Amino acid sequence: QVLLQESGPGLVKPSETLSLTCTVSDSSVTSRYFWGWIRQPPGKGLEWIGSVSNSGTTYYNPSLSSRLTISFDASKNQFSLKLSSVTAADTAVFYCSGELGGTTVHYWGQGTLVTVSS
Amino acid sequence: DIQMTQSPSSLSASVGDRVTITCRASQSISDNLNWYQQKPGKAPNLLIHAASYLQSGAPSRFSGSGSGTEFTLTINSLQPEDFATYHCQQSHSHPPTFGQGTKVEIK
Repeated sequence: QVLLQESGPGLVKPSETLSLTCTVSDSSVTSRYFWGWIRQPPGKGLEWIGSVSNSGTTYYNPSLSSRLTISFDASKNQFSLKLSSVTAADTAVFYCSGELGGTTVHYWGQGTLVTVSS
Repeated sequence: DIQMTQSPSSLSASVGDRVTITCRASQSISDNLNWYQQKPGKAPNLLIHAASYLQSGAPSRFSGSGSGTEFTLTINSLQPEDFATYHCQQSHSHPPTFGQGTKVEIK
C-alpha cells in the first residue's frame, strides 16, 4: 500500500507563492507512476494541476502552466508544487497523487486545505 | 481541453435501488474513462478504469460501460456505504479532465 502525505502552509497571502510537498512512502514504485497534484475548491469539482515523473518529465495544465512548477526529489522520495501569484480563486483542498501515465489516479494523499487570504 | 459532463448533478435513492450515472465527453475518448468515488472530507478513490474495468477491491455491484463519448456508471443494489459523490475523468489526453461530480444522497 503506497501512502502519500502532503505538507505545507494552510494559509497563503494573495500574490505570494503557494508551496506544498508530498512524501511517497514506497520508493520502489516511484519509477512506475507520475506524481502530481489535483485541487478541489470548497463545494466544487476536481481540477488536475500537473504531474512529474521521477526523471523530471512534467505535464502541466495549460490553464495554470504560467504560474506552476512541479518537481521530484528522488533523494527524499518527495515531490513538490509551487503555484505563484495566487488569488482567492486558488483556495482549495490540494491532493497529491500517483498517476499511471500521468492521468489515471491510483494513489491519493489525504488532502490539505490551502486558503488564500490576507 | 476535453469537457466532461455528468448527469444528473445529484440524485436521491434508497438502499437496494439500482442507480445509473451518465458521463459525456466533448469528443471521442475511446474507452479512456475512469470513475472515482469520494466520501465527504475524504480523497477520491478509483472505482473503475478504462470505462469498464473494476479496480481491485471495489465491490462487484459497481459496473461501467460505454465508449467514444457516452459512458455510464451503474450501482446495482445501492448500499449505505455507497452514498457519496462520483466523478468521471477522461484519461485520453492531457490535461486529464473531470466531470463536475454526481452526489448520490439517501432518499
